Amino acid sequence: DVVMTQSPLSLPVSLGQPASISCRSSRSLATRAGNTYLHWFQQRPGQSPRRLIYKVSNRDSGVPDRFSGSGSGTDFTLTISRVEAEDVGVYYCMQGTHWPPYTFGQGTKLEIK
Amino acid sequence: EVQLVESGGGLVQPGGSLRLSCAASGFTFSNYWMHWVRQVPGQGLVWVSRIYRDGSATDYADSVKGRFTISRDNAKNTLYLQMNSLRVEDTAVYYCVRDANGEWGDSWGQGTLVTVSS
Repeated sequence: DVVMTQSPLSLPVSLGQPASISCRSSRSLATRAGNTYLHWFQQRPGQSPRRLIYKVSNRDSGVPDRFSGSGSGTDFTLTISRVEAEDVGVYYCMQGTHWPPYTFGQGTKLEIK
Repeated sequence: EVQLVESGGGLVQPGGSLRLSCAASGFTFSNYWMHWVRQVPGQGLVWVSRIYRDGSATDYADSVKGRFTISRDNAKNTLYLQMNSLRVEDTAVYYCVRDANGEWGDSWGQGTLVTVSS
């Protein structure tokens, strides 16, 4: 199984400051066809997860442009350019290249400092 | 508007059975792979099972293989998860999730809580 490792697991950030979450996979997530199925999800307190970014860097409809994704191979990053209060929650990376099983990172809890 | 609405959760004793349902609307259900994902309260997300568009192929996490069965009724736009031989460690919120040809997880249901306890 592909292991997804996120860091940090806890991320206190001041309002208006940038934030960055790292996600590393135990094997490359690139396919021979050139796709990389690495996605990012946000779970606000008491809510279902919501996808923010798909295939490394594609922002979902309605997601603020302060969220961006980057990376390749085994190393990926979710960046929030300026944290807002509504960004509080847990962020998960997830790989859909090598399945089954699909695997998630442990989650990174973002809180306002 | 895409909607996924789970139901069927509840309290069940160890060794018991439960069937979850996920009613889909707002999209052509038969065009999508569908998944179940679970989350122990306060913990992370864990993939459980997947079913192909026409139900012809399924996959399971090792932890549920042989006990859980995923199925779908495309005429009723509904996804199911039959859970047998339930264990305390199956206690979780269960989400159904849409999969658009690898662009996984663009829609999630609100989740249904399954509690396995004596």
